[in-house]
Amino acid sequence: KNEVEQSPQNLTAQEGEFITINCSYSVGISALHWLQQHPGGGIVSLFMLSSGKKKHGRLIATINIQEKHSSLHITASHPRDSAVYICAVSPLSNTGNQFYFGTGTSLTVIP
Amino acid sequence: EPEVTQTPSHQVTQMGQEVILRCVPISNHLYFYWYRQILGQKVEFLVSFYNNEISEKSEIFDDQFSVERPDGSNFTLKIRSTKLEDSAMYFCASKGSWAQPQHFGDGTRLSIL
Repeated sequence: KNEVEQSPQNLTAQEGEFITINCSYSVGISALHWLQQHPGGGIVSLFMLSSGKKKHGRLIATINIQEKHSSLHITASHPRDSAVYICAVSPLSNTGNQFYFGTGTSLTVIP
Repeated sequence: EPEVTQTPSHQVTQMGQEVILRCVPISNHLYFYWYRQILGQKVEFLVSFYNNEISEKSEIFDDQFSVERPDGSNFTLKIRSTKLEDSAMYFCASKGSWAQPQHFGDGTRLSIL
């Protein structure tokens, strides 16, 4: 079973476009994470959020707890944004230290 | 900027052998994690470790696996009696407090022959 679903699976955009990646989850959560995995395999944590909205540079993450949905937006996309973006959730538990991962959205930004 | 370091970057092992993957978390971090990613598949949570004990583990983390923090700096994942299907990239991560984001190492690619 997939506790976390992402869409789209693959996304190609022209440089400068506004990009949205969606994440839906089926369990109660204590937090949701957005991660970026570079072509070489390295993983970087972008956001950890449990409500509302967070912004870091050109990246914006939002979450709607009632609808069990989160979005990651990239404004003014650039070829260096090309990567796999992964949504992960910490389900409600005693410690909040377990994680379910989505399959990722592969983004390619063309110059 | 402090980093999580993992060694080796690539480990090749014969099926049935034991392997130890090593991680040095960021020095003042308190929460430690191991993940695995089979080629072409999604990242999977294996185990989290806090206050010198396992805090959560997934169904994947069975008796074949164990973790240890043998000293103040290393965090290791031991896989006993390795199987072909253990071939994957293994990532270590750490964070300073629950509310902080995790910092990931670059991973160890484990190949079981």
